[in-house]
Amino acid sequence: DAMVIQNPRYQVTQFGKPVTLSCSQTLNHNVMYWYQQKSSQAPKLLFHYYDKDFNNEADTPDNFQSRRPNTSFCFLDIRSPGLGDAAMYLCATSRLTGSSYEQYFGPGTRLTVT
Amino acid sequence: AQSVTQLGSHVSVSEGALVLLRCNYSSSVPPYLFWYVQYPNQGLQLLLKYTSAATLVKGINGFEAEFKKSETSFHLTKPSAHMSDAAEYFCAGGFKTIFGAGTRLFVKA
Repeated sequence: DAMVIQNPRYQVTQFGKPVTLSCSQTLNHNVMYWYQQKSSQAPKLLFHYYDKDFNNEADTPDNFQSRRPNTSFCFLDIRSPGLGDAAMYLCATSRLTGSSYEQYFGPGTRLTVT
Repeated sequence: AQSVTQLGSHVSVSEGALVLLRCNYSSSVPPYLFWYVQYPNQGLQLLLKYTSAATLVKGINGFEAEFKKSETSFHLTKPSAHMSDAAEYFCAGGFKTIFGAGTRLFVKA
């Protein structure tokens, strides 16, 4: 089945220690998104890629970076995690950008910062 | 500014009862609206999508939603709740897919 895969499902990192979360997709979608979701809140868009074009949200901290080496993979790098970065990180894809296209989500990576 | 508003952060129903989750959108939101469901420690799953083809949209798991332009609403309903429906539900729409704050559905036995 075509899907969005996130690894690992659970990640523990130390305060200030860089961490990378990964996402892969078999849907061959052009667009890949990264969201941060804190407990009992809606997902918050961090950035998205349309093919290789990177689009950062204005309020995404500089501490968060992303790479998309090819269509299938996208990475979220947190350069110096703080306690406030503990959250669920969701990767999603859509065929194209635009309001009519639904998103397909991975299962998420729950990040704990100690 | 575009906005999607979900009324009620928590809704509790008895098993077998009607489920009604409310969503209102600002008039500046394009006519494409979605309902997603999220089970604990999982990603979001698309329940249904409105794309202006029909105002009553049927989705998975027996859910449906009706688009009412005059009321700028897109409420989600299910005639008979099941225990497995207990989850968080998000209404979404807009040029950059704005999510509502979510409504947690509790189903009592």
